[in-house]
Amino acid sequence: DTAVSQTPKYLVTQMGNDKSIKCEQNLGHDTMYWYKQDSKKFLKIMFSYNNKELIINETVPNRFSPKSPDKAHLNLHINSLELGDSAVYFCASSLSGTDYEQYFGPGTRLTVT
Amino acid sequence: AQTVTQSQPEMSVQEAETVTLSCTYDTSENNYYLFWYKQPPSRQMILVIRQEAYKQQNATENRFSVNFQKAAKSFSLKISDSQLGDTAMYFCAFISFQGAQKLVFGQGTRLTINP
Repeated sequence: DTAVSQTPKYLVTQMGNDKSIKCEQNLGHDTMYWYKQDSKKFLKIMFSYNNKELIINETVPNRFSPKSPDKAHLNLHINSLELGDSAVYFCASSLSGTDYEQYFGPGTRLTVT
Repeated sequence: AQTVTQSQPEMSVQEAETVTLSCTYDTSENNYYLFWYKQPPSRQMILVIRQEAYKQQNATENRFSVNFQKAAKSFSLKISDSQLGDTAMYFCAFISFQGAQKLVFGQGTRLTINP
């Protein structure tokens, strides 16, 4: 069974479109994250939810809106996509109060044309 | 704010050799975790090894070991008997015990193991 899954794995879309990326974890974790990896491979956190509550919101454009319907899911919706949004987006999860290890999904490569 | 620096953008060694990847970090906190993650061409992020700052003993996982120097804020990764499958991007990462637990990553080192 996949621990942290993301759909889709690849997403190609045009500027101005709206798209969503879904993430699910079956590890029983209570905290989930979105990270962005740019073209230079640099990874940076975007958002974090703990028990469905937003706890980290880095400097991210308002066009990005995370939603956590329950502890096992964290989705990322992006409005009015721009060329600069092209990147790999990783979902991750962890269990608070433990060893802080974060388990990553396989990533979603978003290409905006 | 915490920062993590990996000063070696790329490294290349022959199979079976030993290689050391460097990482330094900056923090004013006393309790934290440090990690090395591996990202092969498949792009999956895989945890290689972790170190708790309050533990003086260096962590080891089979062929992987760290040299943790807390006072110098240095956290290097040593890969012994390197294998072709070790070819990947390696990221050093820091997480604090305090506040929101977010991983802060270094820029990464691209490691190539040559046959």
